[in-house]
Amino acid sequence: GQQLNQSPQSMFIQEGEDVSMNCTSSSIFNTWLWYKQDPGEGPVLLIALYKAGELTSNGRLTAQFGITRKDSFLNISASIPSDVGIYFCAGQRNSGGSNYKLTFGKGTLLTVNP
Amino acid sequence: GAVVSQHPSWVICKSGTSVKIECRSLDFQATTMFWYRQFPKQSLMLMATSNEGSKATYEQGVEKDKFLINHASLTLSTLTVTSAHPEDSSFYICSASVNEQYFGPGTRLTVT
Repeated sequence: GQQLNQSPQSMFIQEGEDVSMNCTSSSIFNTWLWYKQDPGEGPVLLIALYKAGELTSNGRLTAQFGITRKDSFLNISASIPSDVGIYFCAGQRNSGGSNYKLTFGKGTLLTVNP
Repeated sequence: GAVVSQHPSWVICKSGTSVKIECRSLDFQATTMFWYRQFPKQSLMLMATSNEGSKATYEQGVEKDKFLINHASLTLSTLTVTSAHPEDSSFYICSASVNEQYFGPGTRLTVT
């Protein structure tokens, strides 16, 4: 099935540095979500975005829903070792409701060196 | 809130046998649950959408007779891998939806 273009594929950073990753699509999504997955675990929802242009924060995480509805970015500030994991973006074509499928990016593998 | 559990967390079975995986929403009711498969170093691939009280909707290329899905209540969906083969070995993850999708911890299936 369709996947979103997520970049970068991997990042190696030093503890304390800021991180930025993004997703783009050729088509519009009504909802963007960012998940983090630790090895051997299911993805955990970090941030959900519902409006074009929306900027939402969750602790050290900030995400934005692009104005064109075709992109989103996630920033992590002052990274710490426990930020290590795979970050996935996901787009949903209909807002709200429970029956709408997600389209996932391929993931960004983040490694934080202490 | 929005906790989803899966059981078992890992299972090893022999070729030709069937395996059932349970997905439960613990603190909310979910009319819709989703089943995904994830191979190493890859993203999640949707297998099917499961609606309570009705037949599941399978994604293209997913065999409905091999991957049986039952959504008997608003808090429980099951995936049964029938006549398992080694190529069915994978990480199976469910999600339950209440506006956003919340994922279970996954089930590691190894078929020998």
